[in-house]
Amino acid sequence: DIQMTQSPSSLSASVGDRVTITCRASQIISRSINWYQHKPGKAPKLLIYGASNLQSGVPSRFSGSGSGTDFTLTISSLQPEDGATYFCQQNYNSPRAFGQGTKLEIK
Amino acid sequence: QVQLVQSGAEVKKPGASVKVSCEASGYTFAQYAVHWVRQAPGQRLEWMGWIIAANAMTYYSQTFQGRVTITWDTTANTAYMELNSLTSEDTAVYYCAREKVGGGYNEDCDYWGQGTLVTVSS
Repeated sequence: DIQMTQSPSSLSASVGDRVTITCRASQIISRSINWYQHKPGKAPKLLIYGASNLQSGVPSRFSGSGSGTDFTLTISSLQPEDGATYFCQQNYNSPRAFGQGTKLEIK
Repeated sequence: QVQLVQSGAEVKKPGASVKVSCEASGYTFAQYAVHWVRQAPGQRLEWMGWIIAANAMTYYSQTFQGRVTITWDTTANTAYMELNSLTSEDTAVYYCAREKVGGGYNEDCDYWGQGTLVTVSS
């Protein structure tokens, strides 16, 4: 089974900062990774699909990159509403696997 | 608009079973599958299995094989996840999410339910 290692587990940043979150897959998964934003009590929201494609309606400050085993989610200019947990999911095969999540706090 | 609306919170005793529902609306169900995923306190999301609505074909994680049953009610446009022989380790928030069969990455777990808290306690 594929394992996803996500880092950091938490971070604190200020409005306007650039933030980067990474996920590493235990084997090559091409570009088969989605990134999500999750706020407490809400449904997870798809941000990035296929490693680097912005989901419709998602602000352009969110971007994704990577292929193979190493992937990155970047928020270019942090906004107050970006405080949430972010996680990656591999959809290369089943069983699906998720990163452990990154809790982003806005200072 | 697309919605996946899950049933309410449950409290169960160890050894009992729980059945969580996920009512879908706003899309063509026959073209989609429904995944079930859970998150225990302090843990990462854990994939449990999925069902293809068109033919009710299922695929389960080995972790839950034999203990979980996922079904689809065509008349109610609702997916169900039943988990048996509950222990305290099954205390978690359970989510459903849709995927378009044969679709692109943007149609893979693009919409999720709001989550259902299942608490297992004696």
